[in-house]
Amino acid sequence: AQKVTQAQTEISVVEKEDVTLDCVYETRDTTYYLFWYKQPPSGELVFLIRRNSFDEQNEISGRYSWNFQKSTSSFNFTITASQVVDSAVYFCASLEGSGYSTLTFGKGTMLLVSP
Amino acid sequence: DVKVTQSSRYLVKRTGEKVFLECVQDMDHENMFWYRQDPGLGLRLIYFSYDVKMKEKGDIPEGYSVSREKKERFSLILESASTNQTSMYLCASRVHTPGMPEAFFGQGTRLTVV
Repeated sequence: AQKVTQAQTEISVVEKEDVTLDCVYETRDTTYYLFWYKQPPSGELVFLIRRNSFDEQNEISGRYSWNFQKSTSSFNFTITASQVVDSAVYFCASLEGSGYSTLTFGKGTMLLVSP
Repeated sequence: DVKVTQSSRYLVKRTGEKVFLECVQDMDHENMFWYRQDPGLGLRLIYFSYDVKMKEKGDIPEGYSVSREKKERFSLILESASTNQTSMYLCASRVHTPGMPEAFFGQGTRLTVV
């Protein structure tokens, strides 16, 4: 069975600060996928990134970066120079490799960025 | 553009009513899912389906049922709505093929049971 833990329930920062959202996952499958989603107040889930278990390369997209480390079963998300528009709930999720598998979500981290 | 459409953004129902939440996808996906989202609890899987007329229980199926009569449509049914079913409901779909993990989500339905 899969499990995703987001230990940080809520984080508050001031604009332009860097912030890291933690995600720890558990899975018995050797092939799996990890995701980050953003949920703004409107409620829609916005897909941010997907990583495959066989690709530990870190990724940067603008102010966003992701650090995937299999040795610690972590997939952390860093926002550099945060902005008020980054305020949202962020979910980490995992999916095992089978076509029958389902997405398992963490409980989410609410990020509040104040001006 | 791929699309998962939920029939309502906001819904208010009375306790004891039978409630239908509809989800339609236009991507010919085999797999469809219903999640419930509550603050501090994340998204929890209610039911999912791999094919027409097939359904599987997720983590919290109690008080819910589903129907999948056509491939593109997956309905969540609250047989007798209760106040503890006030929540945000999200539908998702994806292909069944291993190695193609992308899931697509609807815009969500905020259900209030009074």
